[in-house]
Amino acid sequence: QQQVKQSPQSLIVQKGGISIINCAYENTAFDYFPWYQQFPGKGPALLIAIRPDVSEKKEGRFTISFNKSAKQFSLHIMDSQPGDSATYFCAASISGNEKLTFGTGTRLTIIP
Amino acid sequence: ETGVTQSPTHLIKTRGQQVTLRCSSQSGHNTVSWYQQALGQGPQFIFQYYREEENGRGNFPPRFSGLQFPNYSSELNVNALELDDSALYLCASRSGGRTDTQYFGPGTRLTVL
Repeated sequence: QQQVKQSPQSLIVQKGGISIINCAYENTAFDYFPWYQQFPGKGPALLIAIRPDVSEKKEGRFTISFNKSAKQFSLHIMDSQPGDSATYFCAASISGNEKLTFGTGTRLTIIP
Repeated sequence: ETGVTQSPTHLIKTRGQQVTLRCSSQSGHNTVSWYQQALGQGPQFIFQYYREEENGRGNFPPRFSGLQFPNYSSELNVNALELDDSALYLCASRSGGRTDTQYFGPGTRLTVL
């Protein structure tokens, strides 16, 4: 019930392309869905987050698409750049509860 | 930078020893959570503290314990270290109120030999 499943495990995208990472959850009580970006040797940094009352949220080149009925959400990175090469984690939590349940991560590599 | 600091950066211990990791929350944040991140995995929730009281715990044994101080800084203590405790330990702070945003520190890399 508490799992968040993330795919793919690794992703290679050409510079300028679109990177897409997918997550699925089971617990319908989850109502906060953030994406974190982590560089080697650093802690996770919040990238963008969404609540289930909207189906899409866009911030710059980053977009979250949310499908409540399918219990899935995805991160789209438009015009991917080499600086986007990092590990990305989706997560979910219940509002007011500190516990973030993370996916297993996607290692994204942007090649020239 | 998030304003959350952790110390030390790296630590090497031997099996059976005890360790204390420290976290200084972002100014104005009164809640802190600790996570364990094994190599190649997502962070796993250990526990959270709110106003110096433990307020939620994940699937970690009692040898993982914590403290939060009046200035909202925090400690994670691990007793009787095991090899599997080798991981990156992250703390995350959050302000009170309705925001769910948690800000992570850079972590402490613990190696147990």
